[in-house]
Amino acid sequence: GAGVSQSPRYKVAKRGQDVALRCDPISGHVSLFWYQQALGQGPEFLTYFQNEAQLDKSGLPSDRFFAERPEGSVSTLKIQRTQQEDSAVYLCASSLTSRVDEQFFGPGTRLTVL
Amino acid sequence: AQKITQTQPGMFVQEKEAVTLDCTYDTSDQSYGLFWYKQPSSGEMIFLIYQGSYDEQNATEGRYSLNFQKARKSANLVISASQLGDSAMYFCAMRGMNTGFQKLVFGTGTRLLVSP
Repeated sequence: GAGVSQSPRYKVAKRGQDVALRCDPISGHVSLFWYQQALGQGPEFLTYFQNEAQLDKSGLPSDRFFAERPEGSVSTLKIQRTQQEDSAVYLCASSLTSRVDEQFFGPGTRLTVL
Repeated sequence: AQKITQTQPGMFVQEKEAVTLDCTYDTSDQSYGLFWYKQPSSGEMIFLIYQGSYDEQNATEGRYSLNFQKARKSANLVISASQLGDSAMYFCAMRGMNTGFQKLVFGTGTRLLVSP
């Protein structure tokens, strides 16, 4: 399909484990966003890439969270030493340019930390 | 800072009737964009409609229209002729000039249930 894809769709981790969440944006999309959606809440911004450059990481909740997009396409969100409060759905979105474009969202990765 | 407020945790509507989902916003930006997204139980966020702060006309997309009242800082979503498939969470969101038009700020959402 031509949409944003994310993998895995579901991830269960034991507290303290490291996890890596993958996002494949729509081909050719310049901008890529990560959001965290806690249960019963709206998504909250984590970080933003324009091509391979991470221009805004103001929403990352701690230094345990790290995101990269080395070749300007696929992105990985890594969470080190997971904690229970990290349990959430992690949504990835992409948009065609860096201006006011519609963001297309992926289906999300539901992370559960036990 | 930008903030979106959705005061209706849940709304009920009968099939074929119209429903209005409320959204108010707060921002110091002069230029901003307002969005509505639908999130079904499958989890993906589906874009519905967009309104620019300088747009003079209210946005419409099929059965969706955005009732934009700039002075009141409200951007309510109106769904006409509700269908069973409209049952989902609905989120109001905004982007502003001060954040480089990059990140979306979301409200807490309204769960809509359409009954036969």
